[in-house]
Amino acid sequence: AQTVTQSQPEMSVQEAETVTLSCTYDTSESDYYLFWYKQPPSRQMILVIRQEAYKQQNATENRFSVNFQKAAKSFSLKISDSQLGDAAMYFCAYSMTYKYIFGTGTRLKVLA
Amino acid sequence: SQTIHQWPATLVQPVGSPLSLECTVEGTSNPNLYWYRQAAGRGLQLLFYSVGIGQISSEVPQNLSASRPQDRQFILSSKKLLLSDSGFYLCAWSLGGGVGEAFFGQGTRLTVV
Repeated sequence: AQTVTQSQPEMSVQEAETVTLSCTYDTSESDYYLFWYKQPPSRQMILVIRQEAYKQQNATENRFSVNFQKAAKSFSLKISDSQLGDAAMYFCAYSMTYKYIFGTGTRLKVLA
Repeated sequence: SQTIHQWPATLVQPVGSPLSLECTVEGTSNPNLYWYRQAAGRGLQLLFYSVGIGQISSEVPQNLSASRPQDRQFILSSKKLLLSDSGFYLCAWSLGGGVGEAFFGQGTRLTVV
């Protein structure tokens, strides 16, 4: 069965600094998709970034980028120039054929 | 544009009472539909998903059931709630075979007392 592991329950970053959130996954498939979602205090799930496994190029969305290492089954999220509004729970997710499997999340605190 | 509605937003129910949470999607056809539960301090646990009317896949055997009576309606039910059913329930939808993002509703906070 596919699993997603986020080993950092909580992280802190100073405003304007850079932070990296870790995610590893386990799958025997070669074609799949990976996502990072943000859950602010409102608890609304918001997509941050998405990566197709068949693409070698790492996805980027403004201040958010990923480091996708397919062989290592690693999918980390880098947040540059952190802002107070980035404070939230961040979930890594894997999908393949309909199912979306989520990790346990990392709570990110942004310090002013 | 597509929207997803989930209600109620909060619910307090006694142990042993029934449960019905409803989710509807607008602006799309034949979506994949999902129910997740998020326990305090934990990740999202996939409970059920559906790829079509009347087609329900259960991921975790438990006290809950799901139904999809219409293309864009997904219902989570229980005949008798347990204390352990407390949590935050999220409905979501997607298109295709998991190749795009899943879109989430606002969630229902269920407290069983």
